[in-house]
Amino acid sequence: GENVEQHPSTLSVQEGDSAVIKCTYSDSASNYFPWYKQELGKRPQLIIDIRSNVGEKKDQRIAVTLNKTAKHFSLHITETQPEDSAVYFCAASIKPGGSYIPTFGRGTSLIVHP
Amino acid sequence: GAVVSQHPSWVICKSGTSVKIECRSLDFQATTMFWYRQFPKQSLMLMATSNEGSKATYEQGVEKDKFLINHASLTLSTLTVTSAHPEDSSFYICSARVSEEHNTEAFFGQGTRLTVV
Repeated sequence: GENVEQHPSTLSVQEGDSAVIKCTYSDSASNYFPWYKQELGKRPQLIIDIRSNVGEKKDQRIAVTLNKTAKHFSLHITETQPEDSAVYFCAASIKPGGSYIPTFGRGTSLIVHP
Repeated sequence: GAVVSQHPSWVICKSGTSVKIECRSLDFQATTMFWYRQFPKQSLMLMATSNEGSKATYEQGVEKDKFLINHASLTLSTLTVTSAHPEDSSFYICSARVSEEHNTEAFFGQGTRLTVV
């Protein structure tokens, strides 16, 4: 099955700095890569996603890049703010035979210090 | 976006009792729902894929007799933790996708914090 590795597990930055979270996946058949933000005790919320037919996508301060050849994708947050502090999960989604099933990375706890 | 509602948000039960958690898609029909378990500061671990009108597909290592999943309608899936024990205490989250034909965003329920005492 699919295996998703995510690094780092914890990331601490100063307000205004950039933050980068990296993920790798194992199955070249994966074609959809969402990123979720989860605040403490709350449900994961999609913040950005990318499909395998593009290499980069940007939404204001958030961007995601995808390298299909190397099978890795990254989340970039610029001008970080304290409210960006949360756990971020990457995922790779594949359809092994039935439904599209996302496999999640282990998560990155982002702490933005004011 | 699509709304997935999960109930209850938290529950405390005695060891040996059973607990039922409901997951509803409020504004769309979901032929497939996913159940996850999340330990503190850890990732979302897929437990099973719930299919409307058929048996759930369980991930390796998940006891199907302990975690009973029923997907009776296109908008409701339930997870029953049977004979719960303290080690079953965890955060359980369901998710659903609007369309099964396309690889798209999964919407999550708000989660259920289960504490077994």
